[in-house]
Amino acid sequence: ETGVTQTPRHLVMGMTNKKSLKCEQHLGHNAMYWYKQSAKKPLELMFVYNFKEQTENNSVPSRFSPECPNSSHLFLHLHTLQPEDSALYLCASSRKREYNEQFFGPGTRLTVL
Amino acid sequence: GQQVMQIPQYQHVQEGEDFTTYCNSSTTLSNIQWYKQRPGGHPVFLIQLVKSGEVKKQKRLTFQFGEAKKNSSLHITATQTTDVGTYFCAGPDNAGNMLTFGGGTRLMVKP
Repeated sequence: ETGVTQTPRHLVMGMTNKKSLKCEQHLGHNAMYWYKQSAKKPLELMFVYNFKEQTENNSVPSRFSPECPNSSHLFLHLHTLQPEDSALYLCASSRKREYNEQFFGPGTRLTVL
Repeated sequence: GQQVMQIPQYQHVQEGEDFTTYCNSSTTLSNIQWYKQRPGGHPVFLIQLVKSGEVKKQKRLTFQFGEAKKNSSLHITATQTTDVGTYFCAGPDNAGNMLTFGGGTRLMVKP
């Protein structure tokens, strides 16, 4: 409903698995973001892409690998995750990187066993 | 680095009572945004304040930006069960590269 879709909506994976989260925005925005939201912490920014270029990497472990093939699509590749990585992963987009309101997708609920 | 704090963390109110959440930034903000996240949902943009001392209203919601542009508040008059959710404030960092979100205030309304 916000113009930002995420798949899958739920994901259960083992620590040795490799999976990918997908985000697509239909709003014509130029900036896209990955956030992590857990019960204990507020919205944690992970990555920022502006015009397909990564502009921020907020000290995220290398087991999370983002990919932005174009300004409408954003991926988060996951490998060898830990149980503490279980969280809601939210994708968002904005018209431009600075200041604009962000439109969030519904999120992917990730559980790492 | 920039820090954005919100209080209270949780608030239980009886339906019909008023509610206020406060947001404080460690640095001066060029603007502040407010988002609402319903239980099981995702954050949804509510409003953006830009000017010092600005006050904006959306029906029963009143948003205020402090004179020093370091704090903000959201006040809900006569809460309803539909107001349930977590309210986040967010402000851009000095470079304008990203939004820093506060920890949120979770509002629970008893019917």
